Amino acid sequence: DTGVSQNPRHKITKRGQNVTFRCDPISEHNRLYWYRQTLGQGPEFLTYFQNEAQLEKSRLLSDRFSAERPKGSFSTLEIQRTEQGDSAMYLCASSVGQGMDGYTFGSGTRLTVV
Amino acid sequence: ILNVEQSPQSLHVQEGDSTNFTCSFPSSNFYALHWYRWETAKSPEALFVMTLNGDEKKKGRISATLNTKEGYSYLYIKGSQPEDSATYLCAFWNFGNEKLTFGTGTRLTIIP
Repeated sequence: DTGVSQNPRHKITKRGQNVTFRCDPISEHNRLYWYRQTLGQGPEFLTYFQNEAQLEKSRLLSDRFSAERPKGSFSTLEIQRTEQGDSAMYLCASSVGQGMDGYTFGSGTRLTVV
Repeated sequence: ILNVEQSPQSLHVQEGDSTNFTCSFPSSNFYALHWYRWETAKSPEALFVMTLNGDEKKKGRISATLNTKEGYSYLYIKGSQPEDSATYLCAFWNFGNEKLTFGTGTRLTIIP
């Protein structure tokens, strides 16, 4: 297992287009998290899954955002009708149990909306 | 709303000098305080997890302390090297929240 993998590393898209990111967590990890980091801010929580169940969504996650983890393995984060304000680094992480002992992060997907 | 604050936001340190920065967090329902190092183009890397008041952890030239009663943690770097340049994030896990809440980070640049 090579850790948490995110694809693509970079994505440039025009405003109004849809984008989808993928995260492959560590295989034994049951929890998977999505965070977003914008300039000057720390990572902000978006959503998390326990196996295939999405247990919590942040208010930051508008109706244009949807995340899935269909078989409790990889996850996708889709943003519909992208806006310039969606430009950010999208980080995925996974953990064993409830995550209180920490997460293993991917390298992130940097989204630029032009 | 859980607030985790880090200071300073950014710091330039001469190579060889020592430095430290602060993370403050709410002390209610506390379980753990985490420090991560995030280098450009890489994934955030776990440095320390601390749970007990008075905990001190050390990894090479980097160490951290924890005060859960007053809600703060310090990260110390001794004899800074260029490879220490990174953003240092602290994150707080408490009961009832079940996820890490991150601070804004301290961006450290070591000047050769």
